Amino acid sequence: GNSVTQMEGPVTLSEEAFLTINCTYTATGYPSLFWYVQYPGEGLQLLLKATKADDKGSNKGFEATYRKETTSFHLEKGSVQVSDSAVYFCALSPNAGGTSYGKLTFGQGTILTVHP
Amino acid sequence: EADIYQTPRYLVIGTGKKITLECSQTMGHDKMYWYQQDPGMELHLIHYSYGVNSTEKGDLSSESTVSRIRTEHFPLTLESARPSHTSQYLCASPGGAGDPYNEQFFGPGTRLTVL
Repeated sequence: GNSVTQMEGPVTLSEEAFLTINCTYTATGYPSLFWYVQYPGEGLQLLLKATKADDKGSNKGFEATYRKETTSFHLEKGSVQVSDSAVYFCALSPNAGGTSYGKLTFGQGTILTVHP
Repeated sequence: EADIYQTPRYLVIGTGKKITLECSQTMGHDKMYWYQQDPGMELHLIHYSYGVNSTEKGDLSSESTVSRIRTEHFPLTLESARPSHTSQYLCASPGGAGDPYNEQFFGPGTRLTVL
């Protein structure tokens, strides 16, 4: 079956530090990959996505590249801010076709805390 | 972008009570999903629907039930709440027929506490 593994947290950084949150996946075929962010007390928001190998998703200074050869989708940001403190989820969705289409499989989430 | 609404946002209730968590979306999308988020943050799909009168159980077994009588609504019901049901419940719906990549939009969630 499909699975997503994220680096364990929590991750604590100082403002302006470099961020990496690792994500690897197991899936058949060519899934779409996502990073979602959850701020305290809120639902999940899509941060970025990539739909095929070598695609780079980017948003709000965050980036992730779909690496088919290493089955990875690591999240990076060059300079984090206090406002980036949240929980980050890596997820995959099978592409069109089959009974699994439309379902997201999530990683376990990584708590990020950024201090001033 | 889909607007997903969930009510209530917070619910504290005693054991044995029947509860219904509401989820609605205003875009007429066929697909809707319920996820359960445990205190350790992990998200698990518990129910999904691909349209009116279509409901399926997700990957995580749940004692809750769902219905899809109208496209806009996808309520989740617990007939007899127990402390083990304490969790956050998130409703989601994808971006629509024109989005083949199944980007999902989430409601704000209902945080349920069963005493």
